[in-house]
Amino acid sequence: QQQVKQSPQSLIVQKGGISIINCAYENTAFDYFPWYQQFPGKGPALLIAIRPDVSEKKEGRFTISFNKSAKQFSLHIMDSQPGDSATYFCAASISGGSARQLTFGSGTQLTVLP
Amino acid sequence: DAGVTQSPTHLIKTRGQQVTLRCSPISGHKSVSWYQQVLGQGPQFIFQYYEKEERGRGNFPDRFSARQFPNYSSELNVNALLLGDSALYLCASSLRGEQYFGPGTRLTVT
Repeated sequence: QQQVKQSPQSLIVQKGGISIINCAYENTAFDYFPWYQQFPGKGPALLIAIRPDVSEKKEGRFTISFNKSAKQFSLHIMDSQPGDSATYFCAASISGGSARQLTFGSGTQLTVLP
Repeated sequence: DAGVTQSPTHLIKTRGQQVTLRCSPISGHKSVSWYQQVLGQGPQFIFQYYEKEERGRGNFPDRFSARQFPNYSSELNVNALLLGDSALYLCASSLRGEQYFGPGTRLTVT
């Protein structure tokens, strides 16, 4: 069954702190793992993505850690800022064709306190 | 460059009616996917089109249909609307696998 489980459902951190969101998947055929950020009333925006051939990818303050054997991956937001307050979704897909059918997690509502 | 555009922004329909949602992909993108996002949940895959052909279909009833035009824009049609169809409908375009989402159409069924 293609399913992605995301935790926590909500997260509150202080400005400057580290936000960590975790996801676990079941389908070992998944080979592309993006994270999306969504603000109220907006569509999801692609933040960062990773493939299972690497264990970590960093872009600015955002880092994905990937554990293939555990079938888990996580998003770390360093030096969290109030502007990072949004809902974050992990997703997974199987390569094929020119696009991918994304399976999303249930989302994490992040609040960064000033 | 302009991102993915969707129309209308908001829509209110009555149960049993039909609705058509429209999407224009990023210039140069040939693939369009549709997702349904119910409030408080992650998006759920509905359809994927590439070069005007259906390449994937999610677990949605036959009341949902879509098509892609020669200019790569797309329409999503939903017939016999139910209250449970109330959601944000998202369109995503893709060139080399990465999907970029539009702002969505908020559909309310009363």
